[in-house]
Amino acid sequence: QVLLVESGGGVVQPGRTLRLSCAASGFTFSSYAMHWVRQAPGKGLEWVAVISYDGSNKYYADSVKGRFTISRDNSKNTLYLEMNSLGADDTAVYYCARGVVVIASYFHYWGQGTLVTVSS
Amino acid sequence: EIVLTQSPGTLSLSPGERATLSCRASQSVNSNYLAWYQQKPGQAPRLLIYGASSRATGIPDRFSGSGSGTDFTLTISRLEPEDFAVYYCQQYGSSPYSFGQGTKLEIK
Repeated sequence: QVLLVESGGGVVQPGRTLRLSCAASGFTFSSYAMHWVRQAPGKGLEWVAVISYDGSNKYYADSVKGRFTISRDNSKNTLYLEMNSLGADDTAVYYCARGVVVIASYFHYWGQGTLVTVSS
Repeated sequence: EIVLTQSPGTLSLSPGERATLSCRASQSVNSNYLAWYQQKPGQAPRLLIYGASSRATGIPDRFSGSGSGTDFTLTISRLEPEDFAVYYCQQYGSSPYSFGQGTKLEIK
């Protein structure tokens, strides 16, 4: 079965960098676009970024453009999100999600999420 | 950027009643690429509906989606106790793939 497991969350100081990982299994990872979605405590869902199956296309929410970088390693079945210049507004549970093959997709599968807390 | 507005913010109903949730887009959603999710506390969202009206695998038929263009609806025909949760719509027709702010369905 499809399994997505995020890791790398934790407490980080404002302005610092953090890298999240999402280990995928149960499907052919290299065939699917992958997304990051976040949810601030007590708030709604916010789409963050997407990467195409081969890494050649990437799109970002305006709120993270220029600060976050999505990437993938298809040999390791792993998705990444590097987050720079973190601020309090970036505090959230970060989910990786998979939909259909193409970038424009709903999200059929979600990980359990990893909590990022930006605080001094 | 497409802004999705969900209404009402909170819906108070009893088990057995019918629930109607609305999602309105600030501009037409390409190809009716509109999905609905259910989220319970401490859990990841669960896909219910995609393509505005197609039920995801394993979703009971009391859940149905309808609409096109800018106006979409999620209907739960007869509420079960496990249906009380927060519901989100999402458009995936154009980046950024935005979500609505959510409708909380609570027990009356």
